[in-house]
Amino acid sequence: KNEVEQSPQNLTAQEGEFITINCSYSVGISALHWLQQHPGGGIVSLFMLSSGKKKHGRLIATINIQEKHSSLHITASHPRDSAVYICAVSRVQGAQKLVFGQGTRLTINP
Amino acid sequence: DVKVTQSSRYLVKRTGEKVFLECVQDMDHENMFWYRQDPGLGLRLIYFSYDVKMKEKGDIPEGYSVSREKKERFSLILESASTNQTSMYLCASSLLGDYGYTFGSGTRLTVV
Repeated sequence: KNEVEQSPQNLTAQEGEFITINCSYSVGISALHWLQQHPGGGIVSLFMLSSGKKKHGRLIATINIQEKHSSLHITASHPRDSAVYICAVSRVQGAQKLVFGQGTRLTINP
Repeated sequence: DVKVTQSSRYLVKRTGEKVFLECVQDMDHENMFWYRQDPGLGLRLIYFSYDVKMKEKGDIPEGYSVSREKKERFSLILESASTNQTSMYLCASSLLGDYGYTFGSGTRLTVV
């Protein structure tokens, strides 16, 4: 079993819909990261969080440490949000190395 | 604009060649990482370095080596390229401790 599991693996929605991507992890962590990868490769760091909630524009990330679960929400989704979203955690032991989920491929249709 | 720069976006090499992938960061970050990304397998850590001349093996170091002679530059070396090393290679850097990561644009390597 992977230490970081994301769901769903693929998600297709219509423009304007509210999107939720989930991440569960099984190890002790010091931080959780949400990353975005557009076609062509480059990865952008969206959020790093260790508790509570963070918001940036239309993106919201939450984490529940007790339940070992995080969610990434996108409000008023747009075709430019189409990308792969990756959850990654920094373990308490070896915190400098990330452990990655498999990614969620999001497609927003106009 | 701070960034991590990878020397090539696309690279085609022949089996048996020695391949160098270069990564340079301008943020004075201590940590630098090399990952490979394959469909269905996600991102896997090859090597990382937390200081000049310091390196640690990641999850899949076999067939690779690294060099970090200067703080800003971290090189990944494929001693004798093989077709199973065809992949997307991503470099990243971060400050020591729990800080965000900055990724390069990736190098798509094809070994024929």
